[in-house]
Amino acid sequence: GQQLNQSPQSMFIQEGEDVSMNCTSSSIFNTWLWYKQDPGEGPVLLIALYKAGELTSNGRLTAQFGTTRKDSFLNISASIPSDVGIYFCAGPISSGSARQLTFGSGTQLTVLP
Amino acid sequence: NAGVTQTPKFQVLKTGQSMTLQCAQDMNHEYMSWYRQDPGMGLRLIHYSVGAGITDQGEVPNGYNVSRSTTEDFPLRLLSAAPSQTSVYFCASSIGGWGEAFFGQGTRLTVV
Repeated sequence: GQQLNQSPQSMFIQEGEDVSMNCTSSSIFNTWLWYKQDPGEGPVLLIALYKAGELTSNGRLTAQFGTTRKDSFLNISASIPSDVGIYFCAGPISSGSARQLTFGSGTQLTVLP
Repeated sequence: NAGVTQTPKFQVLKTGQSMTLQCAQDMNHEYMSWYRQDPGMGLRLIHYSVGAGITDQGEVPNGYNVSRSTTEDFPLRLLSAAPSQTSVYFCASSIGGWGEAFFGQGTRLTVV
């Protein structure tokens, strides 16, 4: 089942506002990935984190790998209309014959003009 | 620059019908996987493959079959469609099962 708890489930914000979302797990992860899904499209990788405490930016996006290795955070500064979409956190788990990516349930972001 | 290509984009099936969702990638990735996306559930892994000839079950494999005869292709088969299989299906490929996965555009399947 789902091992990543993502919050909030949805957000409605005004254009120009900053956004924060997070992902937590009861298990330790060695990698955290943040994806964005535009309406009608497949998810696309935004930021990858590989080290506890790591802080990585991609334009207006900043993500952090929590020091406990059980959480991660994504911040979007000065939101714009094209930030609308679903944001997923993901991390690899060992199951079956190989590691696989497991995903959080997503944060649906709506940016109001 | 095709990446991961899925066909069809949309499909309506009647209960009990069978069909195959196609997935092809041109990045020479060994690892390929199928996910389904349902509202509020995120992406759940159906089946995955770590290379040609090797497949394994994910979190929600029941009702689906896969095979991997080539590195490039990883079709998903629904043998007898059920309304519970109404969903959006995504194929993904990656170098390994631990890093960046590249997704197709998805197949929106409705079973009536």
